[in-house]
Amino acid sequence: DTGVSQDPRHKITKRGQNVTFRCDPISEHNRLYWYRQTLGQGPEFLTYFQNEAQLEKSRLLSDRFSAERPKGSFSTLEIQRTEQGDSAMYLCASQKETGSGETQYFGPGTRLLVL
Amino acid sequence: AQKVTQAQTEISVVEKEDVTLDCVYETRDTTYYLFWYKQPPSGELVFLIRRNSFDEQNEISGRYSWNFQKSTSSFNFTITASQVVDSAVYFCALKSVVQGAQKLVFGQGTRLTINP
Repeated sequence: DTGVSQDPRHKITKRGQNVTFRCDPISEHNRLYWYRQTLGQGPEFLTYFQNEAQLEKSRLLSDRFSAERPKGSFSTLEIQRTEQGDSAMYLCASQKETGSGETQYFGPGTRLLVL
Repeated sequence: AQKVTQAQTEISVVEKEDVTLDCVYETRDTTYYLFWYKQPPSGELVFLIRRNSFDEQNEISGRYSWNFQKSTSSFNFTITASQVVDSAVYFCALKSVVQGAQKLVFGQGTRLTINP
């Protein structure tokens, strides 16, 4: 199995611009998670998908953020009208089953810098 | 509410020393899972171990060992005979088994530096 992949790995943008990140989970993993990690902190949950359905969103996910997972395969996370506070590492993880004991496997992350 | 505390922000040791990373967690759930992940400078979180709340046996994997003590809500991680390649940020995480997101709740991480 190939691991979780994310694209791009790095993104620099100006305040007010829109950005979109992509995550490709491990094949046949039906759960996909997005986390955000700011400098010196642990990752924080943003949202997750069970196949193509987005089932939960964190309070951290303002209305400028939107995520999709069409056809239950790859996922995209879009940030509109970026702000400097959006600068962070955005991590994607996938999980094979819905079982609570299953492990989440993470991608390399997309590091966003908003100028 | 669930919470994970890693009180050691940074640890620096000389190669071949043993080092223990502390993790204390809070949860009201009786069934839960604990994890350790390693984050090297490249940024990717690498899974190290998963332990459920009913299994308090210590585990050893090569130079790595984990001590789970439910009585003190701790899940500590020890590296024996540390090596420079062990330098990374290490995260402890907690996951509830309650229906729903089953999201991971992470501690703030411990930055471990192994000096040659």
